[in-house]
Parts: sequence; C-alpha cells; structure tokens
Amino acid sequence: EVQLVQSGGGLVQPGGSLKLSCAASGFTFNSFWMNWVRQAPGKGLEWVASISQDGSDKYYVESVRGRFTSSRDNARKSVHLQVNSLRADDTAVYYCVVARGIQAFDIWGQGTLVTVSS
Amino acid sequence: EVVLTQSPATLSLSPGERATLSCRASQSVSSSIAWYQQKPGQAPRLLIYQISNRATGIPARFSGSGSETDVTLTISSLEPEDFAVYHCQQRTNWPPYTFGQGTKLEIK
Repeated sequence: EVQLVQSGGGLVQPGGSLKLSCAASGFTFNSFWMNWVRQAPGKGLEWVASISQDGSDKYYVESVRGRFTSSRDNARKSVHLQVNSLRADDTAVYYCVVARGIQAFDIWGQGTLVTVSS
Repeated sequence: EVVLTQSPATLSLSPGERATLSCRASQSVSSSIAWYQQKPGQAPRLLIYQISNRATGIPARFSGSGSETDVTLTISSLEPEDFAVYHCQQRTNWPPYTFGQGTKLEIK
C-alpha cells in the first residue's frame, strides 16, 4: 500500500524544539522530492519545506528559514523535519506529502499536530 | 510569489446541484494547478492535477478546466460526501508552492 505514516509532534513551549518524522512505503522513495505542508487551526494550507531526492537541495518558506531543517534517510525511506525556536504561529497540523511526477501532491501523511504554548 | 485567490469563500448548495469553484492566479502558472478536497479532521486528497486531469479513483462528476490564470473546479451533481473544503494549488513558480485560501462547500 502506498502511504506516508507520520510520527512526532505534540505540545511544546515557545522556543522549544521537536522532530517530526514520516515513513514512506509502497513507492520508490528515493525517486521523489519530499515535502512538508502545514495547516494552522481553521486556516488554509501552507507549504513549509521541500527536500530533493538525495537530500542535497532544500527549500523552505521564508517564515521558517533558519529554524526548521529537513532531512531524509533513503535507506530507511523516511523524511524528517527538525523544528526549532518554535513560536505560537507555528502551531499547526504538519503533513508530509509527495508529488510523484504529476506536479501535484498525490500522497499525504495523516498529519501530526504541533502546538506551541506555554 | 504567485497568489491564488479562490471564490467564493463559502458555497451553499443542495445535493444534486452543480457546483462551480473558482481559482485565480496573480500571474500565469502554466498548467500546474491542482485541486484538493479536505474533510474535517482529514488530510487533503488530490482531486485534479494539471488543471483538468482527474487523480486516480476520483469520480467523473469532478472536472477541472480553465486557463493559465483562471481555473474552475466543477462538480456536476453534488453527492452528500462532496461537502467539504476545496483548495487549489500551483507549483509552476516554486519555491514556494502556493495554495488558495480554500472554498467551503456546505449543504444548503
């Protein structure tokens, strides 16, 4: 079965850190860019980060640049998002997503909630 | 950065009616527009890619059309399970990928 299964997330204080993880199965993981998209409560979708097939290229939305770091382990078919210096406006459900060659995100993880609050 | 504007914000219709949702781009995005459906508490699901191609398993009542700056998602005859939030997205000029703010399709 083609799927992305996420883990990590939770409640963290402002300034804190978390590591979000995403395990892929059912497709050739090392052939595709992997991405993170988030959704603040009651809001729309926002692209957060992308990482290339071999991890050498990474892009981030401006609001998280310098605080978030994406990485991947192709041997374990997993991708990670290290989120540091968290702020209240980072509170959101974070989705791991992949676009498998059709210029659209065709597979989504189930999402993981990150809540930043004191 | 490409800005996508969806309209209307909320659309109230009855089952069996036709739904037309709009997504306008601030500049040409070639054919990279996609549409997603999202139900409460669920991840988005891809419906349409490259303006008019239905994703795997998507019913034929969903169709996409339009140009490089104005695209439309049409649901020909609404089923009860179609009431949800719909998002458009572009990836021609990335980073960043951008999404519209969403259209909520609610039961009238």
